[in-house]
Amino acid sequence: GAVVSQHPSWVICKSGTSVKIECRSLDFQATTMFWYRQFPKQSLMLMATSNEGSKATYEQGVEKDKFLINHASLTLSTLTVTSAHPEDSSFYICSANPRGGYEQYFGPGTRLTVT
Amino acid sequence: QQQVKQSPQSLIVQKGGISIINCAYENTAFDYFPWYQQFPGKGPALLIAIRPDVSEKKEGRFTISFNKSAKQFSLHIMDSQPGDSATYFCAATFSGYSTLTFGKGTMLLVSP
Repeated sequence: GAVVSQHPSWVICKSGTSVKIECRSLDFQATTMFWYRQFPKQSLMLMATSNEGSKATYEQGVEKDKFLINHASLTLSTLTVTSAHPEDSSFYICSANPRGGYEQYFGPGTRLTVT
Repeated sequence: QQQVKQSPQSLIVQKGGISIINCAYENTAFDYFPWYQQFPGKGPALLIAIRPDVSEKKEGRFTISFNKSAKQFSLHIMDSQPGDSATYFCAATFSGYSTLTFGKGTMLLVSP
């Protein structure tokens, strides 16, 4: 149980285009979903927290107009990187927090490369 | 107040040995301490977690030791195997606040 999926697992896009990443909790309802960014050999950097049906809360320094988060249901959250640039290339990981639980379960990550 | 300090940054252990990774925290409100294992190119996987009402929790070869007075907790991997080679992150959070505070990670290499 407690499986979180992400799609796509990797994506290459051209500079200036937008890309959407989906995060789904497959076997539980997620009160809260989180989006992280991770650079090589570094820890996870929290970008934003989203609760179903409400606006995401972004961490300081994260551009909310660039990284659009939609938490459409208790099992689905999406991250859209708008007008992507090479510096947005990174490993993006989502996680989900089950209702009433402390645990956070992570997706497998999405490798974004902007050319 | 929100930091979790993790050490060592990297660790090499011989197969069959014990791997020990330590974390220290400042915020006494933290009451949930998970450890995550991450392989290259994959998302972190929840390995084991502890609440401060117990001093030790064991699951298979993995044990968390928790010292509330010292505000420290550690992960012990017994009989370490090459397949345990990964990056390990400690984290902490508290009731009513679901966001995890992560340590910087420890890259473990278990040599055959």
